[in-house]
Amino acid sequence: DAGITQSPRHKVTETGTPVTLRCHQTENHRYMYWYRQDPGHGLRLIHYSYGVKDTDKGEVSDGYSVSRSKTEDFLLTLESATSSQTSVYFCATGPKNQPQHFGDGTRLSIL
Amino acid sequence: AQTVTQSQPEMSVQEAETVTLSCTYDTSENNYYLFWYKQPPSRQMILVIRQEAYKQQNATENRFSVNFQKAAKSFSLKISDSQLGDTAMYFCAFMKPLSTSGTYKYIFGTGTRLKVLA
Repeated sequence: DAGITQSPRHKVTETGTPVTLRCHQTENHRYMYWYRQDPGHGLRLIHYSYGVKDTDKGEVSDGYSVSRSKTEDFLLTLESATSSQTSVYFCATGPKNQPQHFGDGTRLSIL
Repeated sequence: AQTVTQSQPEMSVQEAETVTLSCTYDTSENNYYLFWYKQPPSRQMILVIRQEAYKQQNATENRFSVNFQKAAKSFSLKISDSQLGDTAMYFCAFMKPLSTSGTYKYIFGTGTRLKVLA
């Protein structure tokens, strides 16, 4: 939707390994977001970006880092994955005060 | 801190009937936006309807309408003539501006799982 592609769609990995999730948008939006979705919590904001190289923390940022070297790409990295980071991850983008459009999500399982 | 509360974890409704999903929120902001998103089993997040806090008129999109009570901080979603395809998780979301970056932040409720029965 709205030209947002997340990769991979599914990933299984082991505790302690690094993981990078990619979000790619074709709409040239300035703002991009990473959320995680867990049962009983809805979606919670991990990190967001308001421009190339401009990022900031959301409410559940511990254990995650992000990078945005191009307008169209926003990367989420788990430096050393833990089982508590097993979740479904959503990328979103959109104009400043308009509804955000979401990618299809990445299901990440950390064993 | 802003919070969004959806007090109905699960609901069911007969096909063609009407159902109302409740949502309350807590904020001291005066300028904000409210949304309902639908998440079917496919996992996609689909925007259903939006409401600007400065507008008194309730938003409507086809079979979906809201009852926005700003003073009570209530934002319920009414689905009329329910269809089997309405079966999904529904999330209420509050959006407010973030002061330093010019961006906006979503806060989501925990969701209501709606099942439409044939």
